[in-house]
Amino acid sequence: NAGVTQTPKFQVLKTGQSMTLQCAQDMNHEYMSWYRQDPGMGLRLIHYSVGAGITDQGEVPNGYNVSRSTTEDFPLRLLSAAPSQTSVYFCASSSPGTGSLEQYFGPGTRLTVT
Amino acid sequence: AQSVAQPEDQVNVAEGNPLTVKCTYSVSGNPYLFWYVQYPNRGLQFLLKYITGDNLVKGSYGFEAEFNKSQTSFHLKKPSALVSDSALYFCAVRDRWNYGGSQGNLIFGKGTKLSVKP
Repeated sequence: NAGVTQTPKFQVLKTGQSMTLQCAQDMNHEYMSWYRQDPGMGLRLIHYSVGAGITDQGEVPNGYNVSRSTTEDFPLRLLSAAPSQTSVYFCASSSPGTGSLEQYFGPGTRLTVT
Repeated sequence: AQSVAQPEDQVNVAEGNPLTVKCTYSVSGNPYLFWYVQYPNRGLQFLLKYITGDNLVKGSYGFEAEFNKSQTSFHLKKPSALVSDSALYFCAVRDRWNYGGSQGNLIFGKGTKLSVKP
């Protein structure tokens, strides 16, 4: 049971480049979320999904896309990277319907956009 | 709207002394409350949660938290701090009665850096 995994761990992009941050979980959780963490700002929700085929925007969705074709995977796409997207990105999953109310977090992806 | 406040950016404690990390919350209904810890360059680890029942909740690594409904607080405590407790601590809340949509997500505070000196 690997929990929540994220790849890559580190990434450097140039402004305007695109990339996909990968997230997978093996706990059969229906809820998955993407957060970004910036100093002094805590965690801010980017996008979330309540199940396969269903996604919605969080607090800071601009510049990011998501899709959820399977229960296990929830990739985050940066369409055209900007320096403001330099951050640490965390994926999380939970299963509120089965009583697993706490979110389980991946190890994070540290992204730098130059 | 749901919100969480962690009024202290940093808490400094001497090893062996008790520690408290403060958290207050705002939800429209009854809350589910959580504490997470983040060690440097790591993801968030779940410490403990309050769902219902006893107001004093015990969690991992000797931490506990007290739910106080009248003060809308959920302070994290430990009787005797260790240097290894030094980390960033996050409080989070969810409204108990809102399950679907964005309400299913946790709302996080900005975090409190705990520094325990030998």
